[in-house]
Amino acid sequence: NAGVMQNPRHLVRRRGQEARLRCSPVKGHSHVYWYRQLPEEGLKFMVYLQKENIIDESGMPKERFSAEFPKEGPSILRIQQVVRGDSAAYFCASSPQGGVQPQHFGDGTRLSIL
Amino acid sequence: GQQLNQSPQSMFIQEGEDVSMNCTSSSIFNTWLWYKQDPGEGPVLLIALYKAGELTSNGRLTAQFGITRKDSFLNISASIPSDVGIYFCAGPPLSGTGNQFYFGTGTSLTVIP
Repeated sequence: NAGVMQNPRHLVRRRGQEARLRCSPVKGHSHVYWYRQLPEEGLKFMVYLQKENIIDESGMPKERFSAEFPKEGPSILRIQQVVRGDSAAYFCASSPQGGVQPQHFGDGTRLSIL
Repeated sequence: GQQLNQSPQSMFIQEGEDVSMNCTSSSIFNTWLWYKQDPGEGPVLLIALYKAGELTSNGRLTAQFGITRKDSFLNISASIPSDVGIYFCAGPPLSGTGNQFYFGTGTSLTVIP
């Protein structure tokens, strides 16, 4: 299965720690998107990246959150000094091109903050 | 931000029944996508629509891109137990950057065998 791979599937952190979420897009896809989903809600856009570039980060909090998609390796969503409110499912999606191309999703990382 | 409202919010139906759900927006969309999400998993793309009035089928699923470009509909015929899940509409609004996909509030479907 060459779909979007996210790890870890579950991540538990204490308040103040850092969380690193990884996403390997579908092979050949150079566009990556990160979304956040709270229980019983839809997905909310956070950030859109192409290789080595952040294209649109308008949905990502300005503080504590950062994202990267290096030339080699997976895309990383990093949350510093986590707080209880960061508890959510974080999904990564990829597409071969940007714009209106359908995005293909991974199974998410469920982040729990103690 | 953009609001995509889906109705109904939840449905409980008997196996074999047909299902209809819709999604409405306050602004024009140039693409509509329908996804299904099972518990603990990511959304899976069901159908993509690109033109106003377009009607597209995928097996027992049929979706339509509304003429006003502010709505879309999804129908499931002869429902089966594995249709259980949450159905989301999504898309990029015409007025946006084209990068952001907005997701609807979801319709939760329960199929009773």
